[in-house]
Amino acid sequence: DTAVSQTPKYLVTQMGNDKSIKCEQNLGHDTMYWYKQDSKKFLKIMFSYNNKELIINETVPNRFSPKSPDKAHLNLHINSLELGDSAVYFCASSQGDELYIQYFGAGTRLSVL
Amino acid sequence: RKEVEQDPGPFNVPEGATVAFNCTYSNSASQSFFWYRQDCRKEPKLLMSVYSSGNEDGRFTAQLNRASQYISLLIRDSKLSDSATYLCVVNTGSYIPTFGRGTSLIVHP
Repeated sequence: DTAVSQTPKYLVTQMGNDKSIKCEQNLGHDTMYWYKQDSKKFLKIMFSYNNKELIINETVPNRFSPKSPDKAHLNLHINSLELGDSAVYFCASSQGDELYIQYFGAGTRLSVL
Repeated sequence: RKEVEQDPGPFNVPEGATVAFNCTYSNSASQSFFWYRQDCRKEPKLLMSVYSSGNEDGRFTAQLNRASQYISLLIRDSKLSDSATYLCVVNTGSYIPTFGRGTSLIVHP
């Protein structure tokens, strides 16, 4: 069983569209994250949720809206997609006082045309 | 100065070589440190935590130098399968883990 799974794996879409990426973890962790990895491979945190509550919201356009229906799921909705949103988006989870030991999903490769 | 800095490389080494990477951090209050490995087109995975006294896991040795504010990763007897990007992660005291940009290692026959 995959510990952190995200769908879809690939997403190709036109500028201006709205899209969602889903993430689920079966590790029982209480903290989940969204990261963006750009073409230069820089991995930057976007959001973090702890037990469904937002605890980190880095400088991210408000076109990006995370939603956590329960502590095992953290979805990312993106409105009005722009060319610069093209990147790999990783979901991750961690537990308790081991916040920095993170388990990542396989990534969603988003291409905005 | 960036919070966490790594030489992007690539480090190109033959099989069997010993190679070392450093990662410098700017916040002297940083508390914990980690090395992650990311294979091409894959997700990052934890390689090892870095303890104050240094730690070793097989061919991999991690060290912390608090005075000079850097961590290091030494790989002995490099294998082809060690080819990857090695990311350091620093706990700067917030909920936000800070990743370095990674150091690319290519091990060739």
